[in-house]
Amino acid sequence: QVQLQESGPGLAKPSETLSLTCSVSGYSISSDGYYWSWIRQPAGKGLEWIGAIYHSGVTNYNPSLESRVTMSVDKSNNQFSLKVTSLTAADTAVYYCARTEYGATWYYFDYWGQGTPVPVSS
Amino acid sequence: QSVLTQPPSVSATPGQTVTISCSGSTSNIGRNDVAWYQQLPGAAPKLLIFRNSERPSRVPGRFSGSRSGTSATLVITGLQTEDEADFYCGTWDNNLRTAVFGGGTKLSVL
Repeated sequence: QVQLQESGPGLAKPSETLSLTCSVSGYSISSDGYYWSWIRQPAGKGLEWIGAIYHSGVTNYNPSLESRVTMSVDKSNNQFSLKVTSLTAADTAVYYCARTEYGATWYYFDYWGQGTPVPVSS
Repeated sequence: QSVLTQPPSVSATPGQTVTISCSGSTSNIGRNDVAWYQQLPGAAPKLLIFRNSERPSRVPGRFSGSRSGTSATLVITGLQTEDEADFYCGTWDNNLRTAVFGGGTKLSVL
């Protein structure tokens, strides 16, 4: 069974950089056919896709966040990571990682992590 | 302001049928398949419907989806109290070059 688990600092400060890691079990991220995404959700609000990475290192970022986001993959540990720079309070959210199914006309998230809350506060 | 438009809330009684709409445009739903996600209180979203109408094996047949033009619909029949949740539609937007979601619909089972 595919399982994803986010890990991170638990709290971040304005202007600093957030680093999160998603550990995947039950499936090798080195396998073809799936991207690996980060999605966030501010409290009481909707979902926002941050971006996705393929095991080759190819990335797709949300243009609204592209200047502040970097994703990477660690195939040896079956993990992928997210960095968000220049944090503000608007980045406060629950951050989810998710396996991403894609094709010519489809793009959806079939397995999700449980989410990690990241408050941005001094 | 979400790219896809959903009603903020719907309600029904146990056993009834409820529909949730998701409206988009030619750059997203008009060209790409729609997925639906169920988010139970305090939990992560889970995939409910993919490619407009397909269900993961673990999802009961009471949940069904469809797409027509630039809109999609989720139908839940035989409502149960445990169906109370937030529901999100999602797809890819060719113009924005990003995955997009609706603002979510809160289902209350009274």
